[in-house]
Amino acid sequence: AQSVTQPDIHITVSEGASLELRCNYSYGATPYLFWYVQSPGQGLQLLLKYFSGDTLVQGIKGFEAEFKRSQSSFNLRKPSVHWSDAAEYFCAVGSPSQFYFGTGTSLTVIP
Amino acid sequence: ETGVTQSPTHLIKTRGQQVTLRCSSQSGHNTVSWYQQALGQGPQFIFQYYREEENGRGNFPPRFSGLQFPNYSSELNVNALELDDSALYLCASSLPGSSGNTIYFGEGSWLTVV
Repeated sequence: AQSVTQPDIHITVSEGASLELRCNYSYGATPYLFWYVQSPGQGLQLLLKYFSGDTLVQGIKGFEAEFKRSQSSFNLRKPSVHWSDAAEYFCAVGSPSQFYFGTGTSLTVIP
Repeated sequence: ETGVTQSPTHLIKTRGQQVTLRCSSQSGHNTVSWYQQALGQGPQFIFQYYREEENGRGNFPPRFSGLQFPNYSSELNVNALELDDSALYLCASSLPGSSGNTIYFGEGSWLTVV
């Protein structure tokens, strides 16, 4: 069965510190992989995506993610977090006809 | 700005009533998907429409139904509303084969069932 696990429900980091949000998935084939960010009361904004090729992908707002097939993971990273990065982050995997989302990781940024 | 617009943004309904949510997809996108996001959860796939035909369905009962129109706009209809239907309903549009099949989400419609 297809599933997405984001093991960290909530993460707190200091502004300027590095960040890594974890995403593990179970899927029958190599899926399309996405990270979305959601601010309170808002829709989902695409941060980055992976379909094929270079396993390290760059996204908007200084985010990057690395696809590791052997670990079925697609972790999101940022070298220096800004206060405006505080939000809910969702990992999604799937095919063009259906995507599966994790339960999200809530990020708090402290000064 | 994703080019996907949804209406209404907020609404309150009574248990047992019916609701229709609307979505205008990004220009040229012929595929629209609907997701339900309960509070504190990730979005759950409801169904997808491609060129006016249902193209896949998640684990939702038949009282959740949809339509896609020739201009690719879409509706989500929910009959016999239950309290657990209270959620954010997200519409997403995509153009298969373009931009790597990226899906773009609207801001959502908040439904409260009382």
